[in-house]
Amino acid sequence: SQQGEEDPQALSIQEGENATMNCSYKTSINNLQWYRQNSGRGLVHLILIRSNEREKHSGRLRVTLDTSKKSSSLLITASRAADTASYFCATVVSGNTPLVFGKGTRLSVIA
Amino acid sequence: NAGVMQNPRHLVRRRGQEARLRCSPVKGHSHVYWYRQLPEEGLKFMVYLQKENIIDESGMPKERFSAEFPKEGPSILRIQQVVRGDSAAYFCASSPTPGSPIFFGPGTRLTVL
Repeated sequence: SQQGEEDPQALSIQEGENATMNCSYKTSINNLQWYRQNSGRGLVHLILIRSNEREKHSGRLRVTLDTSKKSSSLLITASRAADTASYFCATVVSGNTPLVFGKGTRLSVIA
Repeated sequence: NAGVMQNPRHLVRRRGQEARLRCSPVKGHSHVYWYRQLPEEGLKFMVYLQKENIIDESGMPKERFSAEFPKEGPSILRIQQVVRGDSAAYFCASSPTPGSPIFFGPGTRLTVL
């Protein structure tokens, strides 16, 4: 069964705007990770946030984690057309369990 | 440094044939994961292997599917007697330690005619 669920399923914005994607999960986690997938390709790791962290930044990416609500958000600031892709959250429940992915948010950035 | 390599990139099989998908992890990575992705959907976990051991195969159908990661050589995902419903993209990923970010290969797109 899916552990993580992204919201919205699809998002369309203008270049320069910010994009926010949310992820909710069901069980306690060790860490949560965000990945990007360009059409037809493998996923690329973006950022990892541990269960004892609340916020993390990487370039134009900002990730928050609220373990009390079992949710995370990914913010992409000043979006570019090249950010068009599907974005997935994935959770690690414990050290020896595999990543479980959500269904993803399809982001379209219009130039 | 070579990333995760998968071959073939595209595979066409007729119903009832066997499909063998290969994955060479990042050099030094001993943890390998296989995922399946249907069009417009997320990745579904299939199996997690460490050298010569299957750690978790809870996402892999009990029949017709098998996976191995031998001491030497690539990891193999084998699908026997393929059916049309097996058509999907199969992604392999590897990591140096469990729970760390995983590195994905480009995938093998299996089409069953």
